[in-house]
Amino acid sequence: GIQVEQSPPDLILQEGANSTLRCNFSDSVNNLQWFHQNPWGQLINLFYIPSGTKQNGRLSATTVATERYSLLYISSSQTTDSGVYFCAVDNSNSGYALNFGKGTSLLVTP
Amino acid sequence: DSGVTQTPKHLITATGQRVTLRCSPRSGDLSVYWYQQSLDQGLQFLIQYYNGEERAKGNILERFSAQQFPDLHSELNLSSLELGDSALYFCASSATLLGQGKMNTEAFFGQGTRLTVV
Repeated sequence: GIQVEQSPPDLILQEGANSTLRCNFSDSVNNLQWFHQNPWGQLINLFYIPSGTKQNGRLSATTVATERYSLLYISSSQTTDSGVYFCAVDNSNSGYALNFGKGTSLLVTP
Repeated sequence: DSGVTQTPKHLITATGQRVTLRCSPRSGDLSVYWYQQSLDQGLQFLIQYYNGEERAKGNILERFSAQQFPDLHSELNLSSLELGDSALYFCASSATLLGQGKMNTEAFFGQGTRLTVV
């Protein structure tokens, strides 16, 4: 199946700092989503972004489908941004089931 | 609120037992997916149903089964439970028809069922 690699695996930031999370994938995709898993375990949709660039407040994402990667930017980080960020992709071979990367664990300290 | 409802939120049961997890998808979504999240395996796709029929299978054990009912809600049955089955089980839904042959494939996840096998 399609492989998804996320980097870095762990990240510690001070409040107010910016960061970039990366997702590489091994095949063409129909769908790419970024999720935030909060400390209570909820998976929260951040972006549905198979290609192009989107912004939502302090977060933005860019997917370059031809080069098989996506980037998630977090600006002016807050302690509530802590948690695990997952990239997930699907293609027609998976019947639209998402394949998840292992995630980037982010801790934002005061 | 994602619009996907899972029950129960927590479940504690003994080895060898059988449990049923329930999922109600978002209104209009035709696909339901089940995922297992454990510490050592990450988020693993188990099985997908689309409009009542099985569409794709992932790493689902033979002791596990699922179905999707005519009202599109789904149940995941886990039997002969082992300690290693302790995990967070997620349901997700997607595939809303937009008309003119187009479909929105963005997936939304429920809050999960935390299963502990003792």
